[in-house]
Amino acid sequence: DVKVTQSSRYLVKRTGEKVFLECVQDMDHENMFWYRQDPGLGLRLIYFSYDVKMKEKGDIPEGYSVSREKKERFSLILESASTNQTSMYLCASSGGLAGGHEQFFGPGTRLTVL
Amino acid sequence: KQEVTQIPAALSVPEGENLVLNCSFTDSAIYNLQWFRQDPGKGLTSLLLIQSSQREQTSGRLNASLDKSSGRSTLYIAASQPGDSATYLCAVPTGNQFYFGTGTSLTVIP
Repeated sequence: DVKVTQSSRYLVKRTGEKVFLECVQDMDHENMFWYRQDPGLGLRLIYFSYDVKMKEKGDIPEGYSVSREKKERFSLILESASTNQTSMYLCASSGGLAGGHEQFFGPGTRLTVL
Repeated sequence: KQEVTQIPAALSVPEGENLVLNCSFTDSAIYNLQWFRQDPGKGLTSLLLIQSSQREQTSGRLNASLDKSSGRSTLYIAASQPGDSATYLCAVPTGNQFYFGTGTSLTVIP
């Protein structure tokens, strides 16, 4: 069975902390994505990666960075967490070109920044 | 930029009813269209993927259609059940990104 896992389901952090969210996929997919989901705003793309060590900015990259050192792992980093980064974070992966293949999601991480 | 719209935003139906969810997109240069289900507080579960060359795709009680030229897709759910209650999202890949609608929240009343 296809699997995308995320390191935490729930996370509570303080303003100014550095936060790491990790995502692992077991499908040998080239493409990996980080989204955040907020009520009324839908899913918004933060960053995506189409290969190891490659990354592209999405629609809302400010305040975030990413790392992809291995094909199966894609990390999202909040350099200095702020309350407006409280959200649901969703990781996804897809094979081949992003457009030609099905996208699979992890269970999500609900992050609260106090 | 691709824009994806889902109407209605919310829908409430009695159990057993057949229903249709709508998805429209502005840029017809898509590779495929994917329908997802999301339960509260959870990730997205893929339901159906329709390739751009297809017109329909079926899985159990679900049937999805795609009309690229008019920029529309529908998800038909037959004989709805309370377990179908969830938010349904459509997504279209354009270029290197997937663009999502804001979803239709479905409640099936027993």
